[in-house]
Amino acid sequence: EDQVTQSPEALRLQEGESSSLNCSYTVSGLRGLFWYRQDPGKGPEFLFTLYSAGEEKEKERLKATLTKKESFLHITAPKPEDSATYLCAVQVNLQGAQKLVFGQGTRLTINP
Amino acid sequence: KAGVTQTPRYLIKTRGQQVTLSCSPISGHRSVSWYQQTPGQGLQFLFEYFSETQRNKGNFPGRFSGRQFSNSRSEMNVSTLELGDSALYLCASSLGTWRQQYFGPGTRLTVT
Repeated sequence: EDQVTQSPEALRLQEGESSSLNCSYTVSGLRGLFWYRQDPGKGPEFLFTLYSAGEEKEKERLKATLTKKESFLHITAPKPEDSATYLCAVQVNLQGAQKLVFGQGTRLTINP
Repeated sequence: KAGVTQTPRYLIKTRGQQVTLSCSPISGHRSVSWYQQTPGQGLQFLFEYFSETQRNKGNFPGRFSGRQFSNSRSEMNVSTLELGDSALYLCASSLGTWRQQYFGPGTRLTVT
């Protein structure tokens, strides 16, 4: 069964304190891995897509990396506005149709 | 460019009733996927439509159904509502299969 596990469930950091979020997956037919940010009461906001091991993407204070079994979202010198739930999802091939399997998310809080 | 829109944003229904939710994708996007988000189960895939055809379906009972129109707008219907159907229902659109998905704000359904 396709499975995506994110850790930690919750993370509280001080402003400027860098850290990493983990997303490990066990899927067959992986086509891509996505990172989303979700603020309370809103839909997920697309951040990155990674397709192959060794790939890296950056956007402002965020950097996503991918290995064969897991992905990391590195947050450098975070600010309070980076507080959100970060979701990882893997795109799998189901008989020619796509399906996104999501992890439970990491709830990130940045204290000023 | 307008984002994904969903109507209504909030809905309160009684157990046993049925409900129809609507999703308008980003202009030019032909793929529309639906997800259910609950605190306990997280984000779970319901189904995907592409060019008016259902491409894939998640592990939900037949009470959950959908359709897509020629203009790519999509509707999701839930019949014989149960208390456990209370959730945030999210719609996501993409240019096509294997492309990143952009989410709408969701419809918050409460079943009493």
